[in-house]
Amino acid sequence: NAGVTQTPKFQVLKTGQSMTLQCAQDMNHEYMSWYRQDPGMGLRLIHYSVGAGITDQGEVPNGYNVSRSTTEDFPLRLLSAAPSQTSVYFCASSYRGRGNEQFFGPGTRLTVL
Amino acid sequence: AQRVTQPEKLLSVFKGAPVELKCNYSYSGSPELFWYVQYSRQRLQLLLRHISRESIKGFTADLNKGETSFHLKKPFAQEEDSAMYYCALSGNDKIIFGKGTRLHILP
Repeated sequence: NAGVTQTPKFQVLKTGQSMTLQCAQDMNHEYMSWYRQDPGMGLRLIHYSVGAGITDQGEVPNGYNVSRSTTEDFPLRLLSAAPSQTSVYFCASSYRGRGNEQFFGPGTRLTVL
Repeated sequence: AQRVTQPEKLLSVFKGAPVELKCNYSYSGSPELFWYVQYSRQRLQLLLRHISRESIKGFTADLNKGETSFHLKKPFAQEEDSAMYYCALSGNDKIIFGKGTRLHILP
């Protein structure tokens, strides 16, 4: 099992550009989520999904879109990148249920100039 | 609303000394609490969860509903414990993390 994979590992964008961060898992997990990690701010939830076709907003959803057409994939789209979106992005997945362990991807380091 | 508070950004402890990382939460229902750890150049990983009532790598955490706390403790710190520690709360399908505490073990 590859677990949770994220691509790319690093990305530099110019302000106003759009891009998609990819996340995939091969553990048949229903629950998937995206977080951003910033110094002093910890991990903040952007969007999450409890299953294919279902997504919901987290703590900081503005400027980001998600979709969940399959159980395996949960891409995160930046519509018009801004310097405030410079961050490390983590995808995570788990079985649905409140006590379940989340498995994290390796992260994508995004810089917006 | 769900909220997790970790009051210390950085905690420096001498090797062999006791460690306590604080976590307080706010949640109107029955919470599920976790501690996750991120070692240098590694992925975030689960350290322990309150429902398991287990000790992992010498760490324990007890849920205190009266004080709404879930502090992480270890009686004797080891150098390999140096890492970033996050407290997390699961409720209503959202899993919210605190801001994290960097634990630095001094030799």
